[in-house]
Amino acid sequence: KAGVTQTPRYLIKTRGQQVTLSCSPISGHRSVSWYQQTPGQGLQFLFEYFSETQRNKGNFPGRFSGRQFSNSRSEMNVSTLELGDSALYLCASSTDGGQGYGYTFGSGTRLTVV
Amino acid sequence: QKEVEQNSGPLSVPEGAIASLNCTYSDRVSQSFFWYRQYSGKSPELIMSIYSNGDKEDGRFTAQLNKASQYVSLLIRDSQPSDSATYLCAVRPGTASKLTFGTGTRLQVTL
Repeated sequence: KAGVTQTPRYLIKTRGQQVTLSCSPISGHRSVSWYQQTPGQGLQFLFEYFSETQRNKGNFPGRFSGRQFSNSRSEMNVSTLELGDSALYLCASSTDGGQGYGYTFGSGTRLTVV
Repeated sequence: QKEVEQNSGPLSVPEGAIASLNCTYSDRVSQSFFWYRQYSGKSPELIMSIYSNGDKEDGRFTAQLNKASQYVSLLIRDSQPSDSATYLCAVRPGTASKLTFGTGTRLQVTL
């Protein structure tokens, strides 16, 4: 059974540019969540999608957006990149995102903004 | 007050000893609790989940939950050098579906 697949693994972008990250969940998983991980802040919740609807949103500026497609694949977009956006972006999927379910994480996309 | 708090460590234990990792949370109505292990440069992997007060054992790992004290812990028996990693506590607050993570405790198992 394939795991959570994130692409690309590494990205280097310039300030002001925009970036799109992709996540394919485990087959059958309908919930996809995105997290930003930095050494100082740990794992910060960005948003969660379930059946193409954003169900939860973290405290990030509007430059961070996402969407989920009918096949449960999800994309995350960051516009007008800032140096502080450099981080590991992790996608996690679960069967229904309900109370009793933990997440399975992908390998992450490491974004460096220069 | 942070929603989920962990001591950042490092927690250093000798090989073969018991490692005890602790986590407190602020939302009293939290129902689901998870421990993740993250090796350097890797993504977190789920190692334990617990939902009811008391202990839950899985191999060398035991998760302990005390909802009255808003406290969850992870015990690792017979610690091995391969257990050296950062351990993340995650809590599902209230009826929300998202997981909130602590900043993690770095565990070092020494030979």
